[in-house]
Amino acid sequence: NAGVTQTPKFRILKIGQSMTLQCTQDMNHNYMYWYRQDPGMGLKLIYYSVGAGITDKGEVPNGYNVSRSTTEDFPLRLELAAPSQTSVYFCASSDRLSTGELFFGEGSRLTVL
Amino acid sequence: AQSVTQLDSQVPVFEEAPVELRCNYSSSVSVYLFWYVQYPNQGLQLLLKYLSGSTLVESINGFEAEFNKSQTSFHLRKPSVHISDTAEYFCAVRIAGGTSYGKLTFGQGTILTVHP
Repeated sequence: NAGVTQTPKFRILKIGQSMTLQCTQDMNHNYMYWYRQDPGMGLKLIYYSVGAGITDKGEVPNGYNVSRSTTEDFPLRLELAAPSQTSVYFCASSDRLSTGELFFGEGSRLTVL
Repeated sequence: AQSVTQLDSQVPVFEEAPVELRCNYSSSVSVYLFWYVQYPNQGLQLLLKYLSGSTLVESINGFEAEFNKSQTSFHLRKPSVHISDTAEYFCAVRIAGGTSYGKLTFGQGTILTVHP
């Protein structure tokens, strides 16, 4: 019953450092997403993927990169971390045959100082 | 493009009182509508969804929402809340059909706090 697993759960970065948020799902879902959640702002889509090797930008992609080499994994890379990237990041997945339900991980809380 | 507006950022209520969380959306095409719930320090979970058919949809834990196309609303209601309903609730929308790749647009969230 793992579902969507994100690591790490918490991380503190210094300005200019880089890191990768890991996301893996065991439901064989084709679609995967990265959202960021900021207080009072809801969730904003960063990047999404419709299958291995296929990714596309969402609403707020600047400062991030993704890759999708396998169906299971969808890591999010932060290059040159900035304070504006302090947020809670959620990975989600969906079956392309479904009618909308996204399955979310528990989130990764990132602080950039 | 679609947009979602949740009209209340915080809603405090007493236990066993009724509650309504308001959601309005904007879209030029047909949409599916969703309510997600986020309990403290957890990810989001689907509460209920409207895809087509009956405009009144219900969840297993007593919440219901009604799709009103003329008012472009999808308000969430519960006749009697419990302490355990304390959480943040998100309204979300996506384009109907398969062309949006399941991407959801979320509202800003409403924090429901149930007091004893």
